[in-house]
Amino acid sequence: NAGVTQTPKFRVLKTGQSMTLLCAQDMNHEYMYWYRQDPGMGLRLIHYSVGEGTTAKGEVPDGYNVSRLKKQNFLLGLESAAPSQTSVYFCASRYMGHSYEQYFGPGTRLTVT
Amino acid sequence: EDKVVQSPLSLVVHEGDTVTLNCSYEVTNFRSLLWYKQEKKAPTFLFMLTSSGIEKKSGRLSSILDKKELFSILNITATQTGDSAIYLCAVRTNTGNQFYFGTGTSLTVIP
Repeated sequence: NAGVTQTPKFRVLKTGQSMTLLCAQDMNHEYMYWYRQDPGMGLRLIHYSVGEGTTAKGEVPDGYNVSRLKKQNFLLGLESAAPSQTSVYFCASRYMGHSYEQYFGPGTRLTVT
Repeated sequence: EDKVVQSPLSLVVHEGDTVTLNCSYEVTNFRSLLWYKQEKKAPTFLFMLTSSGIEKKSGRLSSILDKKELFSILNITATQTGDSAIYLCAVRTNTGNQFYFGTGTSLTVIP
């Protein structure tokens, strides 16, 4: 099992460019999450999904869109990148049951200049 | 507004020391609290606590929750350099499927 994988690992964008981050999990998890981690801010939830075809907003959704067309994939899009979106992005997934343990991907470091 | 606060923000100790990390929370409809360890990259799960006063233990790590005073502590005894990491706590509430993370405590264990 690969667990949770994220693509790409690093990316540099210019202000106004767009990009998509891909998260894939092979554990058949129902729930998937996108977080950003900034110094001194901890992990903040951007969007999440409770199943294929469903998404919901988290704490900091502005400037991001997501899609979950397949159960194993969760895409995070930036339509017009801004320097404030420079961050490390983590994807996570978990079962629908009662353990609530999230499995995290290795992260994507994004710099917007 | 739901809030999770960890203290201290950072800590430097010598190998063999015992450390106590704190996580306090103010959330609506608390359900459970989780601890994670983040080394270089992805956070990994340590414990989940739902009931007050019941200690969870794994080797040299232990954790306990106080739902009356709204906090949890994570203890690490006989620290080793491999314990150096950021320790995150997260709170789950009844509303939705979100987790609210604290800012983390950065622990450095020096030989």
